[in-house]
Amino acid sequence: AQSVTQLGSHVSVSEGALVLLRCNYSSSVPPYLFWYVQYPNQGLQLLLKYTSAATLVKGINGFEAEFKKSETSFHLTKPSAHMSDAAEYFCAVSAASGGSYIPTFGRGTSLIVHP
Amino acid sequence: DAGITQSPRHKVTETGTPVTLRCHQTENHRYMYWYRQDPGHGLRLIHYSYGVKDTDKGEVSDGYSVSRSKTEDFLLTLESATSSQTSVYFCAISDPTVNTEAFFGQGTRLTVV
Repeated sequence: AQSVTQLGSHVSVSEGALVLLRCNYSSSVPPYLFWYVQYPNQGLQLLLKYTSAATLVKGINGFEAEFKKSETSFHLTKPSAHMSDAAEYFCAVSAASGGSYIPTFGRGTSLIVHP
Repeated sequence: DAGITQSPRHKVTETGTPVTLRCHQTENHRYMYWYRQDPGHGLRLIHYSYGVKDTDKGEVSDGYSVSRSKTEDFLLTLESATSSQTSVYFCAISDPTVNTEAFFGQGTRLTVV
């Protein structure tokens, strides 16, 4: 079984401040991990993914995430927030189970960026 | 963008009526999924398919059925819609032989009155 916990349903930052969105996962086998972003009235877009190569993963729009196996975490960061980063962010885990890879999503974190 | 089309994009229906949502892909991906998105719950898996005529239940499958008669089409049916099924429904596709991530459609907003 696999699961994802996103800490904080809302995160509020000022423009130019560090963004940190937290994600912890549970998986009985080595997982693939993902961050997706959702803008209002749109589908989910992939921000970045971890697939067992480098533990520090860089994605689009200046975001990055670090896979820490010992902490079962995959937190998303961005050094300097921009107004356009305001959106819903979802962490997801996918691991092999009976030959299938079924993505499981966290509950999402809404990022609010203040001027 | 991955070629995924959901139809309709918006629908209002009455309690007790049947509803079918369609997902169409042009990527020839093996896996197709239906998720529902509700505030505070994130995305929850309803059903998924791992090939033509091969489907399985997800976390919140009660009240829903699916069919996949062609690689490119995955249908989600609400046999008798209830107000608790008011939600935004997303279709996604993936193929582990090609890449690891899922690609999403634009969503269908369903309101059951």
